[in-house]
Amino acid sequence: SQELEQSPQSLIVQEGKNLTINCTSSKTLYGLYWYKQKYGEGLIFLMMLQKGGEEKSHEKITAKLDEKKQQSSLHITASQPSHAGIYLCGARYNNNDMRFGAGTRLTVKP
Amino acid sequence: DAMVIQNPRYQVTQFGKPVTLSCSQTLNHNVMYWYQQKSSQAPKLLFHYYDKDFNNEADTPDNFQSRRPNTSFCFLDIRSPGLGDAAMYLCATSRWGTYEQYFGPGTRLTVT
Repeated sequence: SQELEQSPQSLIVQEGKNLTINCTSSKTLYGLYWYKQKYGEGLIFLMMLQKGGEEKSHEKITAKLDEKKQQSSLHITASQPSHAGIYLCGARYNNNDMRFGAGTRLTVKP
Repeated sequence: DAMVIQNPRYQVTQFGKPVTLSCSQTLNHNVMYWYQQKSSQAPKLLFHYYDKDFNNEADTPDNFQSRRPNTSFCFLDIRSPGLGDAAMYLCATSRWGTYEQYFGPGTRLTVT
């Protein structure tokens, strides 16, 4: 089983709708990172969360870290076609290892 | 603009024929990483360099080697590519202690 599980695996939403992507770790996190990947390209850093309860925003994207649940959620408000892509979470563990989730593929229908 | 550059973007090689992928960075970061990403899967760390110190992941096959001749450049050598090595190869950099990684656009490797 994977150390980092993302859900859902894929998501199709109508433009303007809100959505949430979740990332859950099976081990204690020391840092949680969200990236966006367009198909066939590299990863673009979105934001980093380190403390329980921490919440960060970047334009219409907000991410939170729930330390107790070892879980982070990424929320997009009023989605736009430009939000389409693959969202990956990455986690840093106590040995400074970095692991990634398999990603959530987001499609935004105009 | 400071960036991570990977060449080539697409590489086709024959089964068993050695291939080298390259990565360069203008960020002056001391850590460089190589990841393998297969379709719809998480990027898998192959190895990383902290300056010239090489750190191999335990499950990285011996078929994969790396070189870092200087701060700016890092190479991934696949000595005898198999069909299962077809994947996207991603290079990333970071400043030690920050863990925020900057990725290149990737090289898509096809093995025929």
